[in-house]
Amino acid sequence: SQQGEEDPQALSIQEGENATMNCSYKTSINNLQWYRQNSGRGLVHLILIRSNEREKHSGRLRVTLDTSKKSSSLLITASRAADTASYFCATDATLNYGGSQGNLIFGKGTKLSVKP
Amino acid sequence: DAGVIQSPRHEVTEMGQEVTLRCKPISGHNSLFWYRQTMMRGLELLIYFNNNVPIDDSGMPEDRFSAKMPNASFSTLKIQPSEPRDSAVYFCASSRPGRRNYGYTFGSGTRLTVV
Repeated sequence: SQQGEEDPQALSIQEGENATMNCSYKTSINNLQWYRQNSGRGLVHLILIRSNEREKHSGRLRVTLDTSKKSSSLLITASRAADTASYFCATDATLNYGGSQGNLIFGKGTKLSVKP
Repeated sequence: DAGVIQSPRHEVTEMGQEVTLRCKPISGHNSLFWYRQTMMRGLELLIYFNNNVPIDDSGMPEDRFSAKMPNASFSTLKIQPSEPRDSAVYFCASSRPGRRNYGYTFGSGTRLTVV
């Protein structure tokens, strides 16, 4: 079953604009991760944020995590045509005893199109 | 490092035939995952291994699907007999020890078409 749900499903912007994608999830988590998938390719890991972190940066990427709302956002600043891809959030859920579920559950993704 | 290597990249087969997908994880990674991606259902976890041992196969659709990991550098996913609804892209991913702190590395996938 899906754990993460991305919003919006599709996003179209002009080069240079910022892109924001959101992810909501249902259960307690150890960490949340964002991945990018170019058409016809495998997924590429972008960034991991732990449950005790609120914000993380990597280059033009900024990720926030709000565990009280069970939501995360991915911001891509100064977008480029090369950022055109699908973006997925994935959660490592916590088991009842506090351990890790041991695998990632992915949402259905946001399809980002950046026009030159 | 060559990354996670999957073969074949594309496979077209007739309904009822046996299909075997192969994966070589990154050396030193001790967890291996098989995912299936379709437009309708997105990315679904089929099975994962930790130190070559299957941990959770609850995502395997039915008995027609089986997976093995005979050693740390090789895994197979077999479908026998194949059906048209098995058509999808199958991804293998691996992760290093302490995977709660690291992301997964995905292979390029095998696009399976069952006609």
